[in-house]
Amino acid sequence: LAKTTQPISMDSYEGQEVNITCSHNNIATNDYITWYQQFPSQGPRFIIQGYKTKVTNEVASLFIPADRKSSTLSLPRVSLSDTAVYYCLVGDGNYGQNFVFGPGTRLSVLP
Amino acid sequence: DSGVTQTPKHLITATGQRVTLRCSPRSGDLSVYWYQQSLDQGLQFLIQYYNGEERAKGNILERFSAQQFPDLHSELNLSSLELGDSALYFCASSVEGATDSGNTIYFGEGSWLTVV
Repeated sequence: LAKTTQPISMDSYEGQEVNITCSHNNIATNDYITWYQQFPSQGPRFIIQGYKTKVTNEVASLFIPADRKSSTLSLPRVSLSDTAVYYCLVGDGNYGQNFVFGPGTRLSVLP
Repeated sequence: DSGVTQTPKHLITATGQRVTLRCSPRSGDLSVYWYQQSLDQGLQFLIQYYNGEERAKGNILERFSAQQFPDLHSELNLSSLELGDSALYFCASSVEGATDSGNTIYFGEGSWLTVV
């Protein structure tokens, strides 16, 4: 199971782009990178998933360099409602894979 | 709405008692996960079931047990409750084994347990 490292917290202002980087040096060939968002007292919510290069959806982009040892979640023009904890998970989702969440990154968006 | 249903949403009970939390996974999902999250704490992985069989075990206390039934719903049993067991308990589900696209887990809204 690939270990991940993320900043514990980040501050940003409304309207700015926020980039949260996750390090996963021992990522395996079959591993995918998945990001989740959690608001207080709610279950984590899937944001985006990728394997390599760049993935974009309606809420975020995920940048993965060629060596895949890190990944960056990019949130464009954040608003106050983006204040949450963001988790990076790495795994292949197959037999024996369990989903262990790290402490995540607590993003605070300020007005 | 993730499609994962948890009941009850809130539960208050006394120390020493036993409670059962119930989870219905998303339609088609074979794997169920249980997590515990205490106030301002991270998500603690408790246990995972896949198609009725225990798949992985995390930091689950001996006073806690879980099972997944043939219809794929799952129950988490918490016994001899202590004040420190007060937490939000999440159930999540996934397809499991989707090698062509990784595997995403979907969380329910959680069951708030307060032990008094």
